[in-house]
Amino acid sequence: SQKIEQNSEALNIQEGKTATLTCNYTNYSPAYLQWYRQDPGRGPVFLLLIRENEKEKRKERLKVTFDTTLKQSLFHITASQPADSATYLCALDRGSTLGRLYFGRGTQLTVWP
Amino acid sequence: AAGVIQSPRHLIKEKRETATLKCYPIPRHDTVYWYQQGPGQDPQFLISFYEKMQSDKGSIPDRFSAQQFSDYHSELNMSSLELGDSALYFCASSSGPKNTGELFFGEGSRLTVL
Repeated sequence: SQKIEQNSEALNIQEGKTATLTCNYTNYSPAYLQWYRQDPGRGPVFLLLIRENEKEKRKERLKVTFDTTLKQSLFHITASQPADSATYLCALDRGSTLGRLYFGRGTQLTVWP
Repeated sequence: AAGVIQSPRHLIKEKRETATLKCYPIPRHDTVYWYQQGPGQDPQFLISFYEKMQSDKGSIPDRFSAQQFSDYHSELNMSSLELGDSALYFCASSSGPKNTGELFFGEGSRLTVL
């Protein structure tokens, strides 16, 4: 079965620094890899999607990389702000099934002033 | 912009009771997904529908059933509730298979089974 591991359950960084979150997966090669933000008691909110043939994708202060050889994705938030504090979920889409996403447990990011 | 609407937002039931959750997708979205998220857990895929037909099935218990109606809203029916069914249930929608790939999630329905 698909296994997704996200680095340490919690990550604490100082405002202004770059947060780097890791997502490692096994068993299957995803067609897409997505990152979502989830605030407590709220639904996940889509942030970025990267395809298997893409190495890097950027959106404002966010950057995601995808290394299919290492089976790893890195998610970066530059110039982090306290408002970035949330849980970030990595999700894999194998591409063969209609939209089913396999989620990791998430990394809880706290940005302190 | 319109988002995915879920109701009720909170639901408290006793063991062995029945519960129904409703999901109204974003207008013109024809695909609906149901996920279950236990405390501190990752969202687990339950079931999905495309154009009112079941398109995929995940770890949905036999006690649960779901359907998508002609107006594309969906309902998740849960019977013989167990304590372990207590969780956040999310509905997500998308505009058909493999559009951009992203899912739009609702705010969830929190089910508590006592």
